[in-house]
Amino acid sequence: GAVVSQHPSWVICKSGTSVKIECRSLDFQATTMFWYRQFPKQSLMLMATSNEGSKATYEQGVEKDKFLINHASLTLSTLTVTSAHPEDSSFYICSARDLGLAGGPYEQYFGPGTRLTVT
Amino acid sequence: SQQGEEDPQALSIQEGENATMNCSYKTSINNLQWYRQNSGRGLVHLILIRSNEREKHSGRLRVTLDTSKKSSSLLITASRAADTASYFCATDARRSASKIIFGSGTRLSIRP
Repeated sequence: GAVVSQHPSWVICKSGTSVKIECRSLDFQATTMFWYRQFPKQSLMLMATSNEGSKATYEQGVEKDKFLINHASLTLSTLTVTSAHPEDSSFYICSARDLGLAGGPYEQYFGPGTRLTVT
Repeated sequence: SQQGEEDPQALSIQEGENATMNCSYKTSINNLQWYRQNSGRGLVHLILIRSNEREKHSGRLRVTLDTSKKSSSLLITASRAADTASYFCATDARRSASKIIFGSGTRLSIRP
């Protein structure tokens, strides 16, 4: 099956610094990738939709200047948490849609997640 | 934003019993999926049911979809300790530009 990887799997950073998380589709191309955030014992909340070669679309309430998304190729999207604060500590999960499944139902493949802890 | 609500929020059953989780959603969908997530881990895709399907089976899993009621259920039969996890429904809404939105989830605990 299709594989989506994330790097790093976990990261600890100091308050005020920035951290970049990578999301790669390993064996398929994806024009669209999605970024989710999950707080402990809660569900996944969609943060933004990332389209290759264009600006990301952010969900209501998500600060685009704080969560920078770049989707430079069909296999890579990055999420940069800028000026991180302890409240940004969370589990960040990306997903990617396989271009090959023309006509749908466009199964979406999820990465293993990145646990961010801001101290 | 969340598309769906799940109930119960938490469910504890004896090993060997069946577990039923329900999901309700708000808007018309293309398909609905169920995922499992072990504590602190990534998602495992369980099953996808299309909007024109009413029931689907996969091993010990049975999913139903009622588009008129905008609801779905996930039945796990003959539960095992390894089934302990959180279960989420996720919908692919027709008007949401292919976004998948997750329900609130059900935390399932299987007692040995």
